[in-house]
Amino acid sequence: NSKVIQTPRYLVKGQGQKAKMRCIPEKGHPVVFWYQQNKNNEFKFLINFQNQEVLQQIDMTEKRFSAECPSNSPCSLEIQSSEAGDSALYLCASSKTGGHQDTQYFGPGTRLLVL
Amino acid sequence: AQSVTQPDARVTVSEGASLQLRCKYSYSATPYLFWYVQYPRQGLQLLLKYYSGDPVVQGVNSFEAEFSKSNSSFHLQKASVHWSDSAVYFCALTWNSNNRIFFGDGTQLVVKP
Repeated sequence: NSKVIQTPRYLVKGQGQKAKMRCIPEKGHPVVFWYQQNKNNEFKFLINFQNQEVLQQIDMTEKRFSAECPSNSPCSLEIQSSEAGDSALYLCASSKTGGHQDTQYFGPGTRLLVL
Repeated sequence: AQSVTQPDARVTVSEGASLQLRCKYSYSATPYLFWYVQYPRQGLQLLLKYYSGDPVVQGVNSFEAEFSKSNSSFHLQKASVHWSDSAVYFCALTWNSNNRIFFGDGTQLVVKP
């Protein structure tokens, strides 16, 4: 079973507000991924890190989303100005190597509701 | 372009019955294929994965999946389902030079007592 910890489990924000969520990867997993799962079960990759370095991120992430994985602190994903369309389950996953064949272990997610 | 298709949005079976959840993929070579399960209010849990070798791969909780290159399929099976198997099941893939997971839209499994 996964030991990825995500907080908070639920987050309610008004439009234009900041929304911040955190992730503690499994011990010994230097690679962290963030995905967005919408109500239609469509997944969108947002960003991934190896240690503190960004490996890949999508355009959406570059504009209103910011993320970091500081040393000795939880990783975080922050939406600077929330929009209704950001309402979704945000999943954090971690893996040992980040290779395409490596298993990604998922946390329970942070469910964001933007009113 | 790569894609994963799960043609059945919802499958209902009786407890004790056998199960097959369908998955078709599109990719020019053989991808890495996964099945994940998502229980209510939980994250995704890996059931099994496949890249090469025996096309029938065993997973947790007596699930197995069969890879077919000719059909571009990776169907999930279980001989006898339990009510606790009720969940959403996602077929997914990755491939060489990419570590993002591409997910299908999921199949909601309902097991009737």
